[in-house]
Amino acid sequence: KAGVTQTPRYLIKTRGQQVTLSCSPISGHRSVSWYQQTPGQGLQFLFEYFSETQRNKGNFPGRFSGRQFSNSRSEMNVSTLELGDSALYLCASSQDSPNYGYTFGSGTRLTVV
Amino acid sequence: AQSVTQPDIHITVSEGASLELRCNYSYGATPYLFWYVQSPGQGLQLLLKYFSGDTLVQGIKGFEAEFKRSQSSFNLRKPSVHWSDAAEYFCAVGGGGSQGNLIFGKGTKLSVKP
Repeated sequence: KAGVTQTPRYLIKTRGQQVTLSCSPISGHRSVSWYQQTPGQGLQFLFEYFSETQRNKGNFPGRFSGRQFSNSRSEMNVSTLELGDSALYLCASSQDSPNYGYTFGSGTRLTVV
Repeated sequence: AQSVTQPDIHITVSEGASLELRCNYSYGATPYLFWYVQSPGQGLQLLLKYFSGDTLVQGIKGFEAEFKRSQSSFNLRKPSVHWSDAAEYFCAVGGGGSQGNLIFGKGTKLSVKP
């Protein structure tokens, strides 16, 4: 059974640009969540999608957005990148509810210069 | 508000020694509790979880954790640490049901001395 796949693994972008990160969940998992991980703030919840609908949202500015497709694959987008957006972005999938535990991908390391 | 506290930022133990990583949570209802481990540059791997029932939970890689409601704690233990256990460990809490998300502690970095 394939795990959670995130692409790309590494990304370098310039301040002001936008970026799209992709996540393919485990087959059969309908919930996809996104987290931002930084040394200072730790793991911070961005949003969760279930059956193509955003079901839960964290406390991030509107520059951070996401979507989920009918095959449960998810993308997150960050517009107008800031230096502080440099982080490891982790995608996690679960069958129905995140509250029963996630399976995480290896993450996308985003560096904004 | 829900929160998770891992009081120890960094712990160093000798290989073969026992290990206990502390986790305290604040949650209004019955918590669902988790421990995850993260190796450098990687995602998080689930070690074990507690939903209900026996308060001593066994996980992978020889880890166990004990839920103590009276102390709002869910400490992770291992009787004998191996060098490959060096990693960062995260405690998390969730509320069950279909809504919500897991809330993670800031993590404890474990170093293992030979």
